[in-house]
Amino acid sequence: EPEVTQTPSHQVTQMGQEVILRCVPISNHLYFYWYRQILGQKVEFLVSFYNNEISEKSEIFDDQFSVERPDGSNFTLKIRSTKLEDSAMYFCATAKARSSYEQYFGPGTRLTVT
Amino acid sequence: AQTVTQSQPEMSVQEAETVTLSCTYDTSENNYYLFWYKQPPSRQMILVIRQEAYKQQNATENRFSVNFQKAAKSFSLKISDSQLGDTAMYFCAFMDTGRRALTFGSGTRLQVQP
Repeated sequence: EPEVTQTPSHQVTQMGQEVILRCVPISNHLYFYWYRQILGQKVEFLVSFYNNEISEKSEIFDDQFSVERPDGSNFTLKIRSTKLEDSAMYFCATAKARSSYEQYFGPGTRLTVT
Repeated sequence: AQTVTQSQPEMSVQEAETVTLSCTYDTSENNYYLFWYKQPPSRQMILVIRQEAYKQQNATENRFSVNFQKAAKSFSLKISDSQLGDTAMYFCAFMDTGRRALTFGSGTRLQVQP
């Protein structure tokens, strides 16, 4: 069964550095999402992306964050200048269409900012 | 804004027995979707069951069923004949029909004991 994959599984970075988290969606899926979960807290929505544009974003998704689909397969989340509070598990999710209510989640990338 | 509350951080059940996980939510919307996601240890979240708010009939998927009480804004998950493979974190989630972002509860860690 097709799965969403994410790389790396764990990323350690120093405060102020840029990080790029990568997601490979299921091949015929058109909607993409990023969520994050700070340790001990709820999973929170960051952004949704369709047709090379952001569809929706939360107040967490500020100017430090950006998303793109650089090569038609990967879907990336970039954090420009990481802060300690960006340490979290980042989940990518994809859906077949806007009318599809089922989102398929990747295994997550654990980001540790030191 | 919608909120989802799971008041049971941890639960335990004996194999083959039945367990019910609780979830309440708050919304002013009339049309929405509710979900239960399962996250096994070190694995991605997978959708267990979905309920459309306009449907009065409770959703069932094999051993999994829900008790959806719209007026009470309650959405509990019943797992019958619990199996060791049901050991996981269970997240209740809400999606309104105008958006596709999921709002999650804090999760319930379920341990199935042999």
